[in-house]
Amino acid sequence: DVKVTQSSRYLVKRTGEKVFLECVQDMDHENMFWYRQDPGLGLRLIYFSYDVKMKEKGDIPEGYSVSREKKERFSLILESASTNQTSMYLCASSPMYEQYFGPGTRLTVT
Amino acid sequence: QKEVEQNSGPLSVPEGAIASLNCTYSDRGSQSFFWYRQYSGKSPELIMSIYSNGDKEDGRFTAQLNKASQYVSLLIRDSQPSDSATYLCAVRGGNTGKLIFGQGTTLQVKP
Repeated sequence: DVKVTQSSRYLVKRTGEKVFLECVQDMDHENMFWYRQDPGLGLRLIYFSYDVKMKEKGDIPEGYSVSREKKERFSLILESASTNQTSMYLCASSPMYEQYFGPGTRLTVT
Repeated sequence: QKEVEQNSGPLSVPEGAIASLNCTYSDRGSQSFFWYRQYSGKSPELIMSIYSNGDKEDGRFTAQLNKASQYVSLLIRDSQPSDSATYLCAVRGGNTGKLIFGQGTTLQVKP
């Protein structure tokens, strides 16, 4: 079975803090993705990576950055958290086309 | 803007009935199609993938693809209350690995 893990299920941070969300997959997948999911807006792609040290912007990259130093790990960074970044953050891993999601991190920024 | 459209529902069916979920997409170059199930508060779970025209069956689930009409559907036979969830349609276009997700259809299966 594909296993994608995320560092936290729930996280509460203050406005202006730097926030790190980590995602790890154990299936040697090339591709990894970060989404956020909000009611009424669906899943929106923030960043994705096709290989180590490779990254590409998704549809809503503003306010976020990513890091992929090792194939199995893809980190999402909120440089200075803001209240409008309160959301469910989902990481996905993909061997080619289908994507497998981690359990998600519900982030609240106060 | 490439789009994937789903009726948000809720779609309500009695236990034991067939639930039919539909999805249309705008990009004729789309190559791969996926259905995900998402329970409230949980992450999406891949339940079906389909790549060519026709039907693909897996247990109680059947995915149907019609590229000429640009729609993909998911049939759930013998629906159970445990099937109550939001079903997301996702489409991959061209040579990109990115998926475009629909907003999802909420299914309610009433005992």
